[in-house]
Amino acid sequence: DVKVTQSSRYLVKRTGEKVFLECVQDMDHENMFWYRQDPGLGLRLIYFSYDVKMKEKGDIPEGYSVSREKKERFSLILESASTNQTSMYLCASSSTQGQGFEQYFGPGTRLTVT
Amino acid sequence: GQNIDQPTEMTATEGAIVQINCTYQTSGFNGLFWYQQHAGEAPTFLSYNVLDGLEEKGRFSSFLSRSKGYSYLLLKELQMKDSASYLCAVRDGKGRRALTFGSGTRLQVQP
Repeated sequence: DVKVTQSSRYLVKRTGEKVFLECVQDMDHENMFWYRQDPGLGLRLIYFSYDVKMKEKGDIPEGYSVSREKKERFSLILESASTNQTSMYLCASSSTQGQGFEQYFGPGTRLTVT
Repeated sequence: GQNIDQPTEMTATEGAIVQINCTYQTSGFNGLFWYQQHAGEAPTFLSYNVLDGLEEKGRFSSFLSRSKGYSYLLLKELQMKDSASYLCAVRDGKGRRALTFGSGTRLQVQP
């Protein structure tokens, strides 16, 4: 079974802090993604990566950066956390093999910025 | 731009059939996905359609019409554990491997 893990289930940070969210997958997937999920807005793509050291902006990259130094690990960085970044953050991975490249999600990190 | 619409909430009775609709307008099209998400949990993959027609997988079926920009997820013999949000997602034709998600439909199954 594909396993995607995220470093924390719940996180509380103060405004202005630098925040790191870590995601690890164990299936040798090429693609990794970061989404945020907010009520009424669904999942929105922040950044994605299709190879080590490669990254592309998603639909809402402002205020975020990412790092992918190893294939299995994809980190989301909030350089200076703000209250409007309070959200559920979901990491996902997918392969480029197979039929549909379906994405497998981690359990999510609920981040509160106070 | 991308636009994916699905109803916000639906209610159905245990043992019944329910159809959750999804309409989309995207820049190109390269597949439509349905995910199930229980409260507080990660989304899990249910189905994938890239060609027109019906894909059946046990109690769940998914239909696609590319010309109409329309899909539905059909759940038969509803069980209480089917109470969850159902997310419609589209991969566009721009070569991105990411998905664009709708806001999700929260399904409540009642006894």
